[in-house]
Amino acid sequence: QVQLLQSGAEVKRPGSSVKVSCKASGGTFSNYVISWVRQAPGQGLEWMGGIIPFIGTANYAQKFQGRVTITADESTSTAYLELSSLRSDDTAVYYCATEGGTSSGPFHYWGQGTLVTVSS
Amino acid sequence: QAVVTQEPSLTVSPGGTVTLTCASSTGEVTSDYYPNWFQQKPGQAPRALIYSTSDKYSWTPARFSGSLLGGKAALTLSGVQPEDEAEYYCLLYYSGARGVFGGGTKLTVL
Repeated sequence: QVQLLQSGAEVKRPGSSVKVSCKASGGTFSNYVISWVRQAPGQGLEWMGGIIPFIGTANYAQKFQGRVTITADESTSTAYLELSSLRSDDTAVYYCATEGGTSSGPFHYWGQGTLVTVSS
Repeated sequence: QAVVTQEPSLTVSPGGTVTLTCASSTGEVTSDYYPNWFQQKPGQAPRALIYSTSDKYSWTPARFSGSLLGGKAALTLSGVQPEDEAEYYCLLYYSGARGVFGGGTKLTVL
């Protein structure tokens, strides 16, 4: 049973950066894709990107290309999402999710979500 | 970036059947787009229901099924229950393993 524990809520100024962590426990970390999804207040879901830790190369949504960096540290079973040049419309709950093994899909386990508020 | 389109809202009677669809601005949706479906109820995190067009998670009720229909990905609910009232999102993957969510369908059970 995998658990994903995300870092706590953040309040950031416009133009700054935020780094959200997602620590996995209870299962295999390196072989399965970790996806990042966000949801602004009252809005729909947005796929931001994903990474398979043992490969190390991330894929990003075109919308966030150049502003987002997803990394993974196999030694600590932790994935990170860093978003730069923050704007007010980046205010959202950010989720990480991962697979449940070879017989399940890529969004089997979810983190609890991290609220990032961008405000001056 | 491609645009993924879903019906903004649908209404179904309890016990009825409803099909939600997911279209791509790039053309026909095939299994290569690895369609995923999610359910989200107010105030809750999303919950995955379907991956790879039609594969279910262990918790996905049997009344939910995924398919390809008329060039789109589809989620069919058969024998709808009141607790199925929720927002439903599809996710398609494009080249470079880049995902794009649809705007969501608000399903009302009435």
